[in-house]
Amino acid sequence: GAVVSQHPSWVICKSGTSVKIECRSLDFQATTMFWYRQFPKQSLMLMATSNEGSKATYEQGVEKDKFLINHASLTLSTLTVTSAHPEDSSFYICSAPQTGALNTEAFFGQGTRLTVV
Amino acid sequence: SQQGEEDPQALSIQEGENATMNCSYKTSINNLQWYRQNSGRGLVHLILIRSNEREKHSGRLRVTLDTSKKSSSLLITASRAADTASYFCATGTGANSKLTFGKGITLSVRP
Repeated sequence: GAVVSQHPSWVICKSGTSVKIECRSLDFQATTMFWYRQFPKQSLMLMATSNEGSKATYEQGVEKDKFLINHASLTLSTLTVTSAHPEDSSFYICSAPQTGALNTEAFFGQGTRLTVV
Repeated sequence: SQQGEEDPQALSIQEGENATMNCSYKTSINNLQWYRQNSGRGLVHLILIRSNEREKHSGRLRVTLDTSKKSSSLLITASRAADTASYFCATGTGANSKLTFGKGITLSVRP
């Protein structure tokens, strides 16, 4: 099946710094990618939809200036957590469907565990 | 916002038994998908059922979908200790596989 690679798998950063997370579709093109956030023992909450070549669409309550998304190519989307604070500590997961395919599974990255100290 | 609601929230069974997990949702859907997540890891797709399908099988998995009741069930037969994980239902609406996840069910299979 298709592979989505997410990097890094875990990161520890100091409060106030920024962290970039990459999401790559390895063997298919993805004009759209999704970024989710998951707190411990909770479900995945959609943060934003990343659109190749255009601005991301953010879900209600998600600060676009805090979580910068860039989707510069058909195989790469990045999420940058700016000025990170301890409350941003969470598990971030990206997913990518196959372009133009309806009713198909979404392929998920391995996730990134962010810890802000 | 969350669409799917699974029940039970936690399930503990003996190896070899069957595990049944249920999911309810609120709005119209294109498809419903079940995913599995081992602790601290990414999601693994298990099975997708389209809104015009009623039942689907994949190995030891059986999924049903009742659109009139807006509910789905996932049955894992002959469970194994390795099936221990969290299971999520997710509904797909619109294009490009935008998914809304339920709260998840924690399944523990005792050896």
